[in-house]
Amino acid sequence: QVQLVQSGAEVKKPGASVKVSCKASGYTFTDYGINWVRQAPGQGLEWMGWISDYNGNTNYAQKFQGRVTMTTDRSTTTAYMELRSLRSDDTAIYYCARGAYYYGSGIQKIDASDIWGQGTMVTVSS
Amino acid sequence: QSVLTQPPSASGTPGQRVTISCSGSSSNIGNNYVYWYQQLPGAAPKLLIYRNNQRPSGVPDRFSGSKSGTSASLAISGLRSEDETDYYCAAWDDTLSGPVFGGGTKVTVL
Repeated sequence: QVQLVQSGAEVKKPGASVKVSCKASGYTFTDYGINWVRQAPGQGLEWMGWISDYNGNTNYAQKFQGRVTMTTDRSTTTAYMELRSLRSDDTAIYYCARGAYYYGSGIQKIDASDIWGQGTMVTVSS
Repeated sequence: QSVLTQPPSASGTPGQRVTISCSGSSSNIGNNYVYWYQQLPGAAPKLLIYRNNQRPSGVPDRFSGSKSGTSASLAISGLRSEDETDYYCAAWDDTLSGPVFGGGTKVTVL
């Protein structure tokens, strides 16, 4: 079946980096992209960025530009999200989610996130 | 502060119809599709409605979405105890060049 399986929980110190993986299966990897969305404890959802599994193009939320890198490995159908210079307010559950795109008014826009990974808890604490 | 505005809570008795609103602007809801996600406690979000009013396979027809101008709504008819959870709206934002979410609405079944 179509699924995304993420790597396990991480505990990091402030200033460190974390790299979360997201293994896709059950569909043609290159037909979609992967969104990364995070959720701080007791808070709502926050979109971090999207990467095309077709050509590796990325679209990062302005808030994370310069601090996040999203990559994919077609050979293993795995997507990765690396966040650097971690702070305590980066403590959150990080989700990957399959996302297609469409063109609206000539602009590439991200469509629904229809399949989600189980989430990876990242705790930043000294 | 979320770009899209949702009421923090909504409630109803079993069998009732509950509506959740999602308010935005011309740069997001007014010019783009709206999506709704359901998040059960301790679980990942699940797509409930896409492209304003479309239901993915497996989502009961008790859930329906609509959009008018810069606002959207999710309606749950025939409310059931298992509907008691959090709901989020989302839409692409042309100014921010990315998707934005509402702050979420917790539905309580009385």
